[in-house]
Amino acid sequence: AQSVTQLGSHVSVSEGALVLLRCNYSSSVPPYLFWYVQYPNQGLQLLLKYTSAATLVKGINGFEAEFKKSETSFHLTKPSAHMSDAAEYFCAVSPLFISGNTPLVFGKGTRLSVIA
Amino acid sequence: DTGVSQNPRHKITKRGQNVTFRCDPISEHNRLYWYRQTLGQGPEFLTYFQNEAQLEKSRLLSDRFSAERPKGSFSTLEIQRTEQGDSAMYLCASSPGKTQSREQYFGPGTRLTVT
Repeated sequence: AQSVTQLGSHVSVSEGALVLLRCNYSSSVPPYLFWYVQYPNQGLQLLLKYTSAATLVKGINGFEAEFKKSETSFHLTKPSAHMSDAAEYFCAVSPLFISGNTPLVFGKGTRLSVIA
Repeated sequence: DTGVSQNPRHKITKRGQNVTFRCDPISEHNRLYWYRQTLGQGPEFLTYFQNEAQLEKSRLLSDRFSAERPKGSFSTLEIQRTEQGDSAMYLCASSPGKTQSREQYFGPGTRLTVT
């Protein structure tokens, strides 16, 4: 079964510093991969997705993620953190060669704090 | 495109009562999902609809839970005889259903508190 591991339940960075949130997936076949952000008491908003095209994926709000098959990783980065980036971030996976029901499998999330 | 909407946003109920939540997906999205999210965890899949057909249910969906999507548009999730362990955020998501478009669009969720 597909699974996702997010290293670090809480990451704290200074405003203007690099943001790095880690995600590793378990699959012998590269799946579809997603990063979602969740602000307090809100639903999930899609940041970016990997669908086997370019390995470097650019998303909204200045975030990007790089798919590395050799490392089974899909880490999320942002060059300069902003206070408004403070939120919960979830990595999710969807199997590539399955049609029909394709529920997302989520990691446990990483809470990002930004310090002024 | 008004996004996925869910009602109510918050529900407080006493143990043993029944509750029903509603989800309105993005129009023309034929796939609809329900997830449950507990504190400190990522969303977990509950059930899935393709149009009006409920095609899969997670083992998390006990017999006290039932979901419907009668006309292939909005969906309802009912929990009978609520228990304190049912307290969670219930998220609805929809997607266009195209193989190359796997992203799901989430609603704001319904937060259930069972006292």
